[in-house]
Amino acid sequence: QVQLVESGGTVVQPGRSLRLSCAASGFTFSDYGMHWVRQAPGKGLEWVAIVWYDGSHEYYADSVKGRFTISRDNSQNTLYLQMNSLRAEDTAVYYCARDTDDFGRLTHWGQGTLVTVSS
Amino acid sequence: DIAMTQTPLSLSVTPGQPASISCKSSQSLLNSDGKTFLYWYLQKPGQPPQLLIYEVSNRFSGVPERFSGSGSGTEFTLKISRVEAEDVGIYYCMQSRQLPGTFGQGTKVEIK
Repeated sequence: QVQLVESGGTVVQPGRSLRLSCAASGFTFSDYGMHWVRQAPGKGLEWVAIVWYDGSHEYYADSVKGRFTISRDNSQNTLYLQMNSLRAEDTAVYYCARDTDDFGRLTHWGQGTLVTVSS
Repeated sequence: DIAMTQTPLSLSVTPGQPASISCKSSQSLLNSDGKTFLYWYLQKPGQPPQLLIYEVSNRFSGVPERFSGSGSGTEFTLKISRVEAEDVGIYYCMQSRQLPGTFGQGTKVEIK
């Protein structure tokens, strides 16, 4: 069955960097677009970024553009989110998700990893 | 960016009674290929979101028939014909007609 397991979340100081990973299994990873979606404590969902199935294109929310980079290693079935210049408002649970057929159809989600940006 | 507005933001429902959530987008979600990129997700307490409805009215695999979606253009509705205890959580609409994808604020559904 499809499994997505995020890792890398921790407490980090403002201005520092962090890389999240999402290990995928149970499907042909290189066939699907992959996303990061985040949820600040007690808040709603915010879409963060997408990377095309082959890594050829990426797109970001304005709130993270220029600071975050989404990437993937199809040989390792792993999705990444490199987060630089972190801010307090980046504190959230970060979910990776797989789409199917179109960008909005997020059919499978990981359990999430918590990033806390605090001094 | 396309803004998504949900109403109500909270709903308290007696088991067995119907429930309805509205979602309005700031622009039409109808694409040139005839598809409308509007989705509904449910986030149960302590869990990641799960897909309920895709492209306005298509139930995702395993979603009970009591869930239905309707609408067009900029106005959409999620209906639960008879609410059950397991339906509690926060419901979100989302659009992907245009990147970045955007979610509604969420509607919290609880059982009376």
